Amino acid sequence: DADVTQTPRNRITKTGKRIMLECSQTKGHDRMYWYRQDPGLGLQLIYYSFDVKDINKGEISDGYSVSRQAQAKFSLSLESAIPNQTALYFCATSQTTGELFFGEGSRLTVL
Amino acid sequence: AQSVTQLGSHVSVSEGALVLLRCNYSSSVPPYLFWYVQYPNQGLQLLLKYTSAATLVKGINGFEAEFKKSETSFHLTKPSAHMSDAAEYFCAVSDQGGTYKYIFGTGTRLKVLA
Repeated sequence: DADVTQTPRNRITKTGKRIMLECSQTKGHDRMYWYRQDPGLGLQLIYYSFDVKDINKGEISDGYSVSRQAQAKFSLSLESAIPNQTALYFCATSQTTGELFFGEGSRLTVL
Repeated sequence: AQSVTQLGSHVSVSEGALVLLRCNYSSSVPPYLFWYVQYPNQGLQLLLKYTSAATLVKGINGFEAEFKKSETSFHLTKPSAHMSDAAEYFCAVSDQGGTYKYIFGTGTRLKVLA
């Protein structure tokens, strides 16, 4: 089983719908991240959390919210999805050694 | 502020040829530097990382990178390309100060020609 698991892997939805992407990890890491990947833009940080009580906005947090339900779970919500939120979303974890461990991604299409 | 520039969004090499993927960074504090690889329909995997120890860093699959402070570079190389190296490669920088916010480059897609 993967150390960082994202669900769903693929989702198609309509404009205005609420969407939740979930992430769970078995690495025991305190730090968790949500990134968005668009072709030619690399990865952009949406939100990050250094522990259950610590949540921080990243570069592109507008239109997104997160919840850190437990050390192992970090979910990303789109309250009212719009087409320009169509992208590949990655959850990642890290520890003090610095490297990121990524899930396999959630591909979201907003029609 | 930190930033990362990857020169060349697409690079093509022949099988068996040298692979050179360029990464330049800017950072006002000593950086940690990383190269990640992304295969189709997969997440990013760490290839190698520089964390202020040896400047020449060896990674998985025969890749290595050299940290050159004077040139603010961290280029990725592999002496002989293999077909399985075809993927997208991302350079990333984070600070050592504990915030561990990572800045990624825009990626270089490597194509290996038979």
